[in-house]
Amino acid sequence: DGGITQSPKYLFRKEGQNVTLSCEQNLNHDAMYWYRQDPGQGLRLIYYSQIVNDFQKGDIAEGYSVSREKKESFPLTVTSAQKNPTAFYLCASSINREWTEAFFGQGTRLTVV
Amino acid sequence: RKEVEQDPGPFNVPEGATVAFNCTYSNSASQSFFWYRQDCRKEPKLLMSVYSSGNEDGRFTAQLNRASQYISLLIRDSKLSDSATYLCVVNMGTGYTGFQKLVFGTGTRLLVSP
Repeated sequence: DGGITQSPKYLFRKEGQNVTLSCEQNLNHDAMYWYRQDPGQGLRLIYYSQIVNDFQKGDIAEGYSVSREKKESFPLTVTSAQKNPTAFYLCASSINREWTEAFFGQGTRLTVV
Repeated sequence: RKEVEQDPGPFNVPEGATVAFNCTYSNSASQSFFWYRQDCRKEPKLLMSVYSSGNEDGRFTAQLNRASQYISLLIRDSKLSDSATYLCVVNMGTGYTGFQKLVFGTGTRLLVSP
């Protein structure tokens, strides 16, 4: 089955810790994205990557880092510099062309304890 | 002004009702538009793309008005299973690279009751 997989589904972090969220896709998509969703707000773009070994900051990149060493994988690290990390994190992928569907993973709920 | 604005709702309607959602966007250069559906605590999924000529898929009709920078979604004969949040999505990426910078509205919640 082709798709996009995020893990873990739930993650708890202590203050001051870095955590890494996994995102893997087997759809052969070039573009991958990380979004954050807070209650009552739309999805906000954190980072995106159009091709392996290249990525760009989105609208709310502060306190986050990413890597794109393989086409299939786009992990997101939430660093201790992110002041309010509790949120629902969604990874997506798409073909690099307009009018194409973005496919989302099932999301990771991160809670700071 | 937000890049993509929607009425947050909730819209409470009985089964069988017709309901319309509206959305406005700020970037007149935007080229592609979508409606996504998101169920509670789940990931968004594409409902339909919105073409300039308007498009219909069964009970769902989407319209685009570029002059007014306005997108709409009409749901006819509402079903209980239509209860969800509907997200208006505008691609504000750079067209020449094909990159899609999808900007999401906050979503409109729909509750269909028996």
